This record gives sequence, structure tokens and C-alpha cells, in this order.
Amino acid sequence: KQEVTQIPAALSVPEGENLVLNCSFTDSAIYNLQWFRQDPGKGLTSLLLIQSSQREQTSGRLNASLDKSSGRSTLYIAASQPGDSATYLCAGSNSGGYQKVTFGIGTKLQVIP
Amino acid sequence: EAQVTQNPRYLITVTGKKLTVTCSQNMNHEYMSWYRQDPGLGLRQIYYSMNVEVTDKGDVPEGYKVSRKEKRNFPLILESPSPNQTSLYFCASSPGPQYYGYTFGSGTRLTVV
Repeated sequence: KQEVTQIPAALSVPEGENLVLNCSFTDSAIYNLQWFRQDPGKGLTSLLLIQSSQREQTSGRLNASLDKSSGRSTLYIAASQPGDSATYLCAGSNSGGYQKVTFGIGTKLQVIP
Repeated sequence: EAQVTQNPRYLITVTGKKLTVTCSQNMNHEYMSWYRQDPGLGLRQIYYSMNVEVTDKGDVPEGYKVSRKEKRNFPLILESPSPNQTSLYFCASSPGPQYYGYTFGSGTRLTVV
């Protein structure tokens, strides 16, 4: 059974700092890895989707990497801004006939002005 | 605008009173899924549907029912709600999670008293 872990559970950084959020998974038979952002009481907004055949994806100040062999994905945020404050979740999609998706609990990020 | 729409956004109900949370997507996606989100537990899948009339259980299906009579709609039914079903519920859709990831609705916060 796939397990997805995100460490740390919470992170506080000063504005302008570059930061890395970590996501680890136990089952390397992963189809894709998706990073989401969730604002308090709101839905999930997709940030980046990395296919199993890819190593990384970039969107603006965000860069996500995927290393299946080590069971890790990272989300890199450059030049953090207060508007980046949110909870970031990763989700792994595995084979199983129905595209089982397992979510991490998330990392709550606070960017201090 | 491409979106997943859930209704209602907030709902307070009493134990045992049947309720339905609606979910509709306008992207012609085949795959739809329901999740509940609880503090410390993350998102857990309740039910999913691969296409019209094709549904199956996720990780926590007890106490819930779904139907998929039309491609765009995937309602979540609680026949006899109990307080342990108090949670934040999300509907998601995808043209195929293996390659395209998910689009989430804004969520329904349900309180059962």
C-alpha cells in the first residue's frame, strides 16, 4: 500500500528566501506525482504534475522534481512571497486498475513579510 | 470556465437526516472521485467512478453512496449521517488521472450534530 509522507509538517520562512518542500513515497510504481496548493477552507489548486517518465516540471517560481528510485519528490519555491503562504500537498497516482491516488498530509508554509 | 462545482459549500444537519452533496464538472471528464479531509489524516478517497454507471469503493466508503447516471454529475449521498461524518468533502475529476492529474471542487464543509 502506497504511503506518502511530507516533512516538515510546517515551515516558516522570511520573504525572499528560496525553499524546498519534501514528499516521500513508499511504492515506486508510480504513474505521476502531483503537487497542490490549499488555502485555508478552500479547495486544492493543482500546481505541477510530473509523469513517471519525467524528472522535473517548472512553472514560474516553482520547480518540482521526481526521483522514483529514491521515492522522493521535491517542490522548490524561489524567492518566496507572503502570497505563497498556504498548505502544500503532494499526491501519488499508482497503478491498480482504478488509478489509486494517495495524498500526503501536507506542509503548511508561512512566508513572513 | 472549466471547473468542478460542488453544492452546498456549507451544510449543518442532524443525525439520521438523509442528504446529498452534488458535484458537477463541465470538462467531459470520465473519471470522478470523492474525498474527505480531516485534520491529521489528510485526504482519503470515499468513492470513485471511471465512467457512467461504473463506480467503486475507495478507502473509506462506509456510510456513503454515489451514483453516476450522467457523465457530468457525481452526487455523494449520506443516507443516515452520523457525527463522525463531519468533515470537509471534495469532489475531483480527471480525463484520466494517469496522465492528467486532477481538478478539484471548492469543497463542502459538512457538520452533523
